[in-house]
Amino acid sequence: DARVTQTPRHKVTEMGQEVTMRCQPILGHNTVFWYRQTMMQGLELLAYFRNRAPLDDSGMPKDRFSAEMPDATLATLKIQPSEPRDSAVYFCASGLFGAGAYEQYFGPGTRLTVT
Amino acid sequence: KQEVTQIPAALSVPEGENLVLNCSFTDSAIYNLQWFRQDPGKGLTSLLLIQSSQREQTSGRLNASLDKSSGRSTLYIAASQPGDSATYLCAVRSPSNTGKLIFGQGTTLQVKP
Repeated sequence: DARVTQTPRHKVTEMGQEVTMRCQPILGHNTVFWYRQTMMQGLELLAYFRNRAPLDDSGMPKDRFSAEMPDATLATLKIQPSEPRDSAVYFCASGLFGAGAYEQYFGPGTRLTVT
Repeated sequence: KQEVTQIPAALSVPEGENLVLNCSFTDSAIYNLQWFRQDPGKGLTSLLLIQSSQREQTSGRLNASLDKSSGRSTLYIAASQPGDSATYLCAVRSPSNTGKLIFGQGTTLQVKP
């Protein structure tokens, strides 16, 4: 049963600390997305990659957020330094672009709390 | 700029009732529309995906329709059960070569036994 995995599932950190979230997309998927979900804003797209290349990161605060795909099986989202307003659930999703329907499959999310 | 709206924000119904969730979008030029379910504290589960050329998709007790010209989609749930209680989100994908999904704020459904 192929699924997107994310680690850690929960993270509590103090303001100013670095936070790294990891995602393993479904094997064979060529597109990876990072979303952030809050009560106020709902689901927002932060960044996404195709074939490991960043296509769009316009939704991401550039001064503190960075997203990378070191290889096809790992995507990372880093926040440095973290702030209380970054508290949210961060979702990773993957899909196979070019396969017609192009569904996105979501991971369970990382719940981040910055105090 | 594409905007997706879901009405109502919350809905409570007795078990067994048929119900309809609504989704509207401002730009009718979409590639497809996807309905998701989200349980509290969990990720999103894809329920149905409708291509822009399709009018509806069915899966079990769920039926999703799409009227692209009017910018509307509905998710029909037949014979609702307490296990259907969750937040339902719709998302549209633009036809550009990106795959980006624009999400609505969701409808939180409670089905009472």
